[in-house]
Amino acid sequence: AQSVSQHNHHVILSEAASLELGCNYSYGGTVNLFWYVQYPGQHLQLLLKYFSGDPLVKGIKGFEAEFIKSKFSFNLRKPSVQWSDTAEYFCAVSGTASKLTFGTGTRLQVTL
Amino acid sequence: GAGVSQTPSNKVTEKGKYVELRCDPISGHTALYWYRQSLGQGPEFLIYFQGTGAADDSGLPNDRFFAVRPEGSVSTLKIQRTERGDSAVYLCASSPGRLYQETQYFGPGTRLLVL
Repeated sequence: AQSVSQHNHHVILSEAASLELGCNYSYGGTVNLFWYVQYPGQHLQLLLKYFSGDPLVKGIKGFEAEFIKSKFSFNLRKPSVQWSDTAEYFCAVSGTASKLTFGTGTRLQVTL
Repeated sequence: GAGVSQTPSNKVTEKGKYVELRCDPISGHTALYWYRQSLGQGPEFLIYFQGTGAADDSGLPNDRFFAVRPEGSVSTLKIQRTERGDSAVYLCASSPGRLYQETQYFGPGTRLLVL
């Protein structure tokens, strides 16, 4: 069975600080990896995804993530966060079955 | 076009009652998913439809939960004899359904509270 671990449950950063959110997955086959974001009062939306090819993927709003197969990781990064990045971030994985398996989420709070 | 819509946005019911939650996917999307998100957790998979048929219902917790998609578009999640533990946000997502590597687009969810 596939599983996803997000070790940072709550992260507080000042504006302009750099961000890295950890995501590790467990799955025996070819994986598809996703980061979803949920802004306050809004629904889940896709931040970025990895299916194949270049392991460094770029998403919306300056976010990027790197797939490191040997470490079973797909960490999310942003060089300089903004107050508007305050949200909950979910890492997810799927395999040949279409269903997504999500981590428990990381709540990011960016202070001015 | 319009995104995934879900109704009602909030539902309060009493223990033991029956509830129906509706999902309207993005037009033309043949794949439809239901997830459940409890407080402090990530969404958990319930069931996946490809067209009218349930391709994977392995996430349904027990036989009180049932979902249909009779015409391959709108789907209804039905919960019988609700329990307090069923309280959660029920999310629906859809995708084009042509490849297994696809982005799922989520709706706003239905917040269910069982008293």
